[in-house]
Order: sequence, then C-alpha cells, then structure tokens
Amino acid sequence: QSVLTQPPSVSGAPGQRVTISCTGSSSNIGAGYDVHWYQQLPGTAPKLLIYGNSNRPSGVPDRFSGSKSGTSASLAITGLQAEDEADYYCQSYDSSLSGSHVVFGGGTKLTVL
Amino acid sequence: EVQLVQSGAEVKKPGESLKISCKGSGYSFTSYWIGWVRQMPGKGLEWMGIIYPGDSDTRYSPSFQGQVTISADKSISTAYLQWSSLKASDTAMYYCASVGATTRGWFDPWGQGTLVTVSS
Repeated sequence: QSVLTQPPSVSGAPGQRVTISCTGSSSNIGAGYDVHWYQQLPGTAPKLLIYGNSNRPSGVPDRFSGSKSGTSASLAITGLQAEDEADYYCQSYDSSLSGSHVVFGGGTKLTVL
Repeated sequence: EVQLVQSGAEVKKPGESLKISCKGSGYSFTSYWIGWVRQMPGKGLEWMGIIYPGDSDTRYSPSFQGQVTISADKSISTAYLQWSSLKASDTAMYYCASVGATTRGWFDPWGQGTLVTVSS
C-alpha cells in the first residue's frame, strides 16, 4: 500500500491526451512538499520527467506537463505517441510523527492503443 | 556529464552477505545526497534510504531499517548498499540515484541498476 495513490493503468490512442493522478495527504503533498515524476521504459532505469511539480528537465518534450493542487498532483501527456508507453511514478516527501522520508506512488502503466 | 555507474548483477544463496556499489562522476560527489531504490520483479519503486557522502549522514525507510546498511567512501566517490544475510525476498533490481542538496529533492540521474538474485 503506497503512501501516494496512482491509478494502476491508463490508456489512450495516439495523438490523444491522458492524465495520471497522484493522490496524497496532509503529511506529504498537502504539507507543501514538491511532487516529481519519473518515466520507466521497459527494461530500463527510471528517468526524471518532471521536477518541482511542473518543471521539465532539459530534453523532456513539452508534451509532458505537471501540476499540483491541494493533496494531489497530476501528470498530463498530450499528443500521445507509441514511445510514451511506459510506467510512470510520482514521488514526494512525507513527514509525520513516525519520521520523515521519501515516498513513491505505486506506479501507473500507460498503454498506447 | 553527471553519471552513476553501478556494480554488476549478483547471484547469491540465502544467508550470504553482499555489498553492491554506485560510483559517481562528473559532479561534486560529497555535496549531494545519494538514494537507493528497490524494484522487485514486476513491482513499483520503493525508497530504501539515503546518504550524504560528505559526512555519511544516513536516513533509512522504516521498511528497510535494520535490513540493509548504506555507506559511502567519499575518497573514491562511491556509495554502497549491503546485506549481512540475504533472503530470497531480497531478489530485486536495486537503483542508486543522486538526490541533490536536500533529502527532499528529486532523483536524477539514476544508475543503470544492479540485479540481485537470491536463490538456493
């Protein structure tokens, strides 16, 4: 059971727009901690996609965008392409009475139809 | 170019010990936290812990505290993840990644991963 909740899967046709949600709580996203997103292509290491809620590293296409509101965050992918088929993970930080640590979402598998 | 290169795949028996490594290059290794992440077969990413090579300040996920040891040798820009007694359930891919100047940062770049297989 991940601290950050993501849908297990999403799908879309080429050219379409899809969104992936990441739902947290008042001890992580709702506490103001930033959300970061990663893309993991099959058989490869994860790659940073979005940092600081909505910032794209150099080289990441502007088809990818991130947002955050309240206790949730979202990753949007527009103009879906076959090469976008991958697993996507959100990450934030959690601080509670039991301690402070990094937390990941459970991951979302994107299928391009 | 900032790069993290991990040691190669390992096949071990239950009860054996293991230490895998993650060597950084292209940046000031002692100035940025390094994190370790586990990915069990077909599963998601799990944060294991983090170390600041400058002074070896280390933090562990409650799920991994006491199960593994994270260390670093700043003289050779290398971080380590070790087990004293492996279990079959430790079979997984293990990634290291640079986390930046604070423990709350993003993971970038990532190492290529080290596959650990524990089987009798």
